[in-house]
Amino acid sequence: KQEVTQIPAALSVPEGENLVLNCSFTDSAIYNLQWFRQDPGKGLTSLLLIQSSQREQTSGRLNASLDKSSGRSTLYIAASQPGDSATYLCAPLPGNRLAFGKGNQVVVIP
Amino acid sequence: EAQVTQNPRYLITVTGKKLTVTCSQNMNHEYMSWYRQDPGLGLRQIYYSMNVEVTDKGDVPEGYKVSRKEKRNFPLILESPSPNQTSLYFCASRQGYGGNEQFFGPGTRLTVL
Repeated sequence: KQEVTQIPAALSVPEGENLVLNCSFTDSAIYNLQWFRQDPGKGLTSLLLIQSSQREQTSGRLNASLDKSSGRSTLYIAASQPGDSATYLCAPLPGNRLAFGKGNQVVVIP
Repeated sequence: EAQVTQNPRYLITVTGKKLTVTCSQNMNHEYMSWYRQDPGLGLRQIYYSMNVEVTDKGDVPEGYKVSRKEKRNFPLILESPSPNQTSLYFCASRQGYGGNEQFFGPGTRLTVL
């Protein structure tokens, strides 16, 4: 069974700092990995999908890396803004039974 | 607009009163699934469906039923809700099998008294 761990569970940073969010998973037999953002009580918004053949995927200030062999992905958010405050979830995408991490809860202080 | 819709968005009910939460997607996706999200436990998969008439249990299926009679719809049925099913529920869909991007519905907040 896939186990997903996200570290740190929570962090607060001043505006402008770069964020580094880590995701590790136990079963490296995945196709791709998806990062989501979730605001309190709201749904999940897809941020990035990294294909297993890729090492990185970028979208604006977001950059995600994937190292399948070591079971790790990292989400970098450059020059953080208060609007980045949310919980970030990673989901390795194998076949049918999907597992999520518990998320990295981020607060960006103005 | 490509989307996953859920109804109702909020529901307060009483123990034992059968309810159905609907989920519909307009992207012609084969795969659909249901999750529940609870504080400290994260997102856990309840049931999933690979295609019409094909469903299977996820990690926490007890107390839930699903059906997939049409490709676009995947309702979640609670035959006899109990307070421990109070949770935030999400429906999701994706194209085919494997690592394609998942799309989530807006969530249904269910309270069982």
